[in-house]
Amino acid sequence: GAVVSQHPSRVICKSGTSVKIECRSLDFQATTMFWYRQFPKQSLMLMATSNEGSKATYEQGVEKDKFLINHASLTLSTLTVTSAHPEDSSFYICSARGRGPAYNEQFFGPGTRLTVL
Amino acid sequence: QKEVEQDPGPLSVPEGAIVSLNCTYSNSAFQYFMWYRQYSRKGPELLMYTYSSGNKEDGRFTAQVDKSSKYISLFIRDSQPSDSATYLCAMYRNQGGKLIFGQGTELSVKP
Repeated sequence: GAVVSQHPSRVICKSGTSVKIECRSLDFQATTMFWYRQFPKQSLMLMATSNEGSKATYEQGVEKDKFLINHASLTLSTLTVTSAHPEDSSFYICSARGRGPAYNEQFFGPGTRLTVL
Repeated sequence: QKEVEQDPGPLSVPEGAIVSLNCTYSNSAFQYFMWYRQYSRKGPELLMYTYSSGNKEDGRFTAQVDKSSKYISLFIRDSQPSDSATYLCAMYRNQGGKLIFGQGTELSVKP
């Protein structure tokens, strides 16, 4: 299957700081990228959907000013958690869908564990 | 009622057993079905993708879709300890649509 990478894999930050997480599709062009968060023992919760070159669509209850998403190219999307607080500590996972044969399949990155102190 | 229901388990089986994982869904508009495997503290890994009703086999894994019953299954033959993970079913309605996940089933295969 296609490969999606995330960086960093783990980050610890102080309350009030901003954290940027990168998501890259390594061997295909991702027309759509998704950002999820996952709490322990729970399924994935979709935060937002982004299409290359357009604004992200946020799910209900997700603050767009707090979770800034940029999908600048067909291989890169970033999630910035602004003014992070301890309750933002979670496992953040991106995924991507591509063009052509991969269009209907969605591939996930390895995730980023964020801990806000 | 959730759109996709999946027994969260945990499910514990001995090595070599056949494992059956199941999901039911309520919306007949779902057309694309996937099974993901997620190891602890890792992102989900796509195992199987199916579109139509019927069976699809890949090695020890078989995905089954029954659209008339709104029921999908994943069978694992000759299960191995390395299969121990959480298995998530997921589906969506149309191309480009939002993926809807089941709750995930935690599987443990004992040596």
